Amino acid sequence: DGGITQSPKYLFRKEGQNVTLSCEQNLNHDAMYWYRQDPGQGLRLIYYSQIVNDFQKGDIAEGYSVSREKKESFPLTVTSAQKNPTAFYLCASTTQRGAGNEQFFGPGTRLTVL
Amino acid sequence: SQKIEQNSEALNIQEGKTATLTCNYTNYSPAYLQWYRQDPGRGPVFLLLIRENEKEKRKERLKVTFDTTLKQSLFHITASQPADSATYLCALDTGTASKLTFGTGTRLQVTL
Repeated sequence: DGGITQSPKYLFRKEGQNVTLSCEQNLNHDAMYWYRQDPGQGLRLIYYSQIVNDFQKGDIAEGYSVSREKKESFPLTVTSAQKNPTAFYLCASTTQRGAGNEQFFGPGTRLTVL
Repeated sequence: SQKIEQNSEALNIQEGKTATLTCNYTNYSPAYLQWYRQDPGRGPVFLLLIRENEKEKRKERLKVTFDTTLKQSLFHITASQPADSATYLCALDTGTASKLTFGTGTRLQVTL
């Protein structure tokens, strides 16, 4: 089955720790995205990547870092510099063929800072 | 400033009726507008896309309209069912890097 997976589903972090959220897709999509969703809020873009070894900051990149060493993988690190990391994190991917393409989302990772 | 507004209050309707959700935007010139469904604790799922030069798009019981003059999209679910209960998100695509900007979503509750 083609799809996009995220792990873990739930993650607990102590203050001051860095944590890495995994995102893998086997859809052969070029573009991948990380969003953050807070209760009652829409999705806000953290980082995105249109091609391997290249990525750009989204609207709320401070305190986060990413890498794109493989087409299938786009991990997100939440660093200790992120002041309010507790949120629901969503990874998405899309083909870059043409324009106006739908995004496919993973199941999400819920991060809680203790 | 740029803004995307969806009705933040939940929409409660009776089964069988038509649900109409609104998405208004300011200071955007979207090439496309997309609608997604999100169930609690899950990732959004794509429903429909409409282009700036299209007035209306349909898919089964779903219909989307797009008025670039009013800067508004309406999302209709006809013959609504309890299984349609979810949060519905609109997203603007300006055509750059396939980036989407999402509204806050409207929660729809369909009761028997």
